[in-house]
Amino acid sequence: EAQVTQNPRYLITVTGKKLTVTCSQNMNHEYMSWYRQDPGLGLRQIYYSMNVEVTDKGDVPEGYKVSRKEKRNFPLILESPSPNQTSLYFCASSSRPNTEAFFGQGTRLTVV
Amino acid sequence: AQSVTQLGSHVSVSEGALVLLRCNYSSSVPPYLFWYVQYPNQGLQLLLKYTSAATLVKGINGFEAEFKKSETSFHLTKPSAHMSDAAEYFCAVTLNSGYSTLTFGKGTMLLVSP
Repeated sequence: EAQVTQNPRYLITVTGKKLTVTCSQNMNHEYMSWYRQDPGLGLRQIYYSMNVEVTDKGDVPEGYKVSRKEKRNFPLILESPSPNQTSLYFCASSSRPNTEAFFGQGTRLTVV
Repeated sequence: AQSVTQLGSHVSVSEGALVLLRCNYSSSVPPYLFWYVQYPNQGLQLLLKYTSAATLVKGINGFEAEFKKSETSFHLTKPSAHMSDAAEYFCAVTLNSGYSTLTFGKGTMLLVSP
């Protein structure tokens, strides 16, 4: 089954404690991206990757890092989380940036 | 650059009534347009897409949307709402050339009452 898998689904952490949210896709897609979803703001892109070792900033990259060492994986790293990063995060993949995006189930992050 | 505006953060309809969710876009070149649906505690799922073929696009679950270039609109409709249609709906735009990324609207929550 074609899918994008994120882990964990729920995470509560404390300010400053580094965390990683994993994302994996099994569709051999070149393009992957991370979004955060906040009430009234819709989805905003954090980072994206055109292919292995090629990443770039989206609209709201501050406080986040990504890496793309393998085609199927695109982890999101918060090195020093802060409460304003409390949000619902989605990973997505597609064959190209302007084609149908497949989304993961989301990760609800709470930073206290 | 491209952008999309969804009119109405919440839309309420009765079961069996027409559903109309509005989306207007701004794009410097011909766009590709998408509607996604998000059910509670789930990711986004593609409803339908316009990629410069037919202007009336049919999607899953009885939804359809019409691309109107003169109005820069891509409104989503369904003739008869069902309780299971209650969800949040997102319109998204991208460009049909180059490596343009998806830009999402802020979403419209559809509420369906019995």
